[in-house]
Amino acid sequence: QVQLVQSGAEVKKPGSSVKVSCKASGGIFINSGVSWVRQAPEQGLEWMGGIVPLFGSATYSKKFQGRVTITTDESTGTVYMEVSSLRSEDTAVYYCAREEEAPYTFDIWGQGTRVTVSS
Amino acid sequence: QSALTQPASVSGSPGQSITISCIGTSSDVGGYNYVSWYQQYSGKAPKLMIFAVSNRPSGVSSRFSGSKSGNTASLTISGLQAEDEADYYCSSYASSNPPYVFGTGTKVTVL
Repeated sequence: QVQLVQSGAEVKKPGSSVKVSCKASGGIFINSGVSWVRQAPEQGLEWMGGIVPLFGSATYSKKFQGRVTITTDESTGTVYMEVSSLRSEDTAVYYCAREEEAPYTFDIWGQGTRVTVSS
Repeated sequence: QSALTQPASVSGSPGQSITISCIGTSSDVGGYNYVSWYQQYSGKAPKLMIFAVSNRPSGVSSRFSGSKSGNTASLTISGLQAEDEADYYCSSYASSNPPYVFGTGTKVTVL
């Protein structure tokens, strides 16, 4: 059964950075993209950016452009997302999800990584 | 790009049918047949229930159905069951950045 497995919870200080990983099993990144979606406490879902591991180029929501970096390590089937200059508003659960182009949907989700930003 | 508009809550009795609306614009919901619906239990990851407006992934109950008219998409749950109690989010592909926009979310309560 294909799965996306994310790294564990993180607690960070304001102004620091966090790097979250998302590892695929079953080769599910072939020709597929991976997006990152976050959910602040008691809030809705928000698309942050995505990457197609086969091609290596990432796209970002303009809200996060310049502060979020998405990369991939094809040798291990892992996608990473780094958020810099963390602030308290970045406290959220971060999900990776497999993105199927046309129909532009997210059919497989990771379990989520809770990131807490607190001084 | 603003979030798509959903009712905050919808409730129904077991066996009844309920419908959740998702209102967008011609730049997202109205412009593409790429509306998805996700079910999310508290503390869990979202699960895809409907894609491309009205298609169900393998394993999703036929009690869930989707439709679209103009800038409004809808999710209908028929034969409501206790296990349907969860939050539901719509999503659409969009013509501008960000290319994906989510709805505000709807809490479904089974009375």
